[in-house]
Amino acid sequence: QQQVKQSPQSLIVQKGGIPIINCAYENTAFDYFPWYQQFPGKGPALLIAIRPDVSEKKEGRFTISFNKSAKQFSLHIMDSQPGDSATYFCAAKDQTGANNLFFGTGTRLTVIP
Amino acid sequence: DVKVTQSSRYLVKRTGEKVFLECVQDMDHENMFWYRQDPGLGLRLIYFSYDVKMKEKGDIPEGYSVSREKKERFSLILESASTNQTSMYLCASSWGQGAGEQFFGPGTRLTVL
Repeated sequence: QQQVKQSPQSLIVQKGGIPIINCAYENTAFDYFPWYQQFPGKGPALLIAIRPDVSEKKEGRFTISFNKSAKQFSLHIMDSQPGDSATYFCAAKDQTGANNLFFGTGTRLTVIP
Repeated sequence: DVKVTQSSRYLVKRTGEKVFLECVQDMDHENMFWYRQDPGLGLRLIYFSYDVKMKEKGDIPEGYSVSREKKERFSLILESASTNQTSMYLCASSWGQGAGEQFFGPGTRLTVL
């Protein structure tokens, strides 16, 4: 059973476009929602994260939008660049449990020059 | 600089062999994790550990075991490798309770023939 549902599975945008990746969850005990970025041949690395007490967080060209009532969160990449081509994973952590992260299935983003 | 290293980048084994995957972190992290990554399935947690000699099952522990004899080292063991264990294996570590970020190694691509 997938605790965090991610879509789309793949995404192709032109340079300068704004790709949006969506995630949804059911567990209201989740209290931390990170996004990880993975380049080919590398392990995932933390990109940006949000806690449920805020609705938006920006770091550079990356923005997380968070809708607590809908139990959804999304990643927006402004002015996307070919160097942003990677696989993106959303995740969530349960406040009641250990430091486990539940990951989405990933989105392969390709930014065409 | 934070570092998680894995003993091999690529490994080819035969069905029935015992396989050891080693992970070492140099950040004095309490928590360590083993995931497998498969296309379309994202990252799935196999086992994790909060302390030396302590281990907990993740979502897909069947066919695997782990060992943590020292704080910095976490080993994944495939007692009798099978072809359905062909996958990318990722190790991660993090600080104790409350912290969210996990730091990943580069992964080991295991092929079982």
